[in-house]
Amino acid sequence: DAEITQSPRHKITETGRQVTLACHQTWNHNNMFWYRQDLGHGLRLIHYSYGVQDTNKGEVSDGYSVSRSNTEDLPLTLESAASSQTSVYFCASSESRGAATGELFFGEGSRLTVL
Amino acid sequence: KNQVEQSPQSLIILEGKNCTLQCNYTVSPFSNLRWYKQDTGRGPVSLTIMTFSENTKSNGRYTATLDADTKQSSLHITASQLSDSASYICVVSGPGGSYIPTFGRGTSLIVHP
Repeated sequence: DAEITQSPRHKITETGRQVTLACHQTWNHNNMFWYRQDLGHGLRLIHYSYGVQDTNKGEVSDGYSVSRSNTEDLPLTLESAASSQTSVYFCASSESRGAATGELFFGEGSRLTVL
Repeated sequence: KNQVEQSPQSLIILEGKNCTLQCNYTVSPFSNLRWYKQDTGRGPVSLTIMTFSENTKSNGRYTATLDADTKQSSLHITASQLSDSASYICVVSGPGGSYIPTFGRGTSLIVHP
């Protein structure tokens, strides 16, 4: 069965360190998204990609970067982790065309703690 | 600015009771509205999709309604079960496969035995 997986599921790091969260999907979806979820804010979009070599900033992109070298993967990098980036991160993917577009398939989340 | 507002923010009900969650949106142009269920510690999962021409759609004990004129949707849960305890998120999308969906902040539902 097709799926979307995130790793690591839990990570503790220190302020200033570089962190990369992996996201891998086997749906062959063109669209991929990274969200963070914090109490009181819901899911907020960090970065998204419509296909290979395409990346775009979301509403809370400062301090984060992504790259899309193939269809399956969209890793999220925190260049210099800050305590404000302590959060639960969700990766999602979706089809790019058709009337039933819009359904997002989410990973199980990565809980990041920055000390 | 496109917005999705959900109410109530949280809700506690007894097992077996019904409840209704609300979603108001200002997203334009409109293509579809989805309700997602997010269990604690898990990613959201789509429950139902409503398009412009649909007024009501059921998925088991979940019934979603849409009034595209007033830009309101509701999710009604019948005969609640403990497993219904979750966050319910309303997500509205515009036309085209590359349109970025707009998320509500969710309603946290707790079902007590």
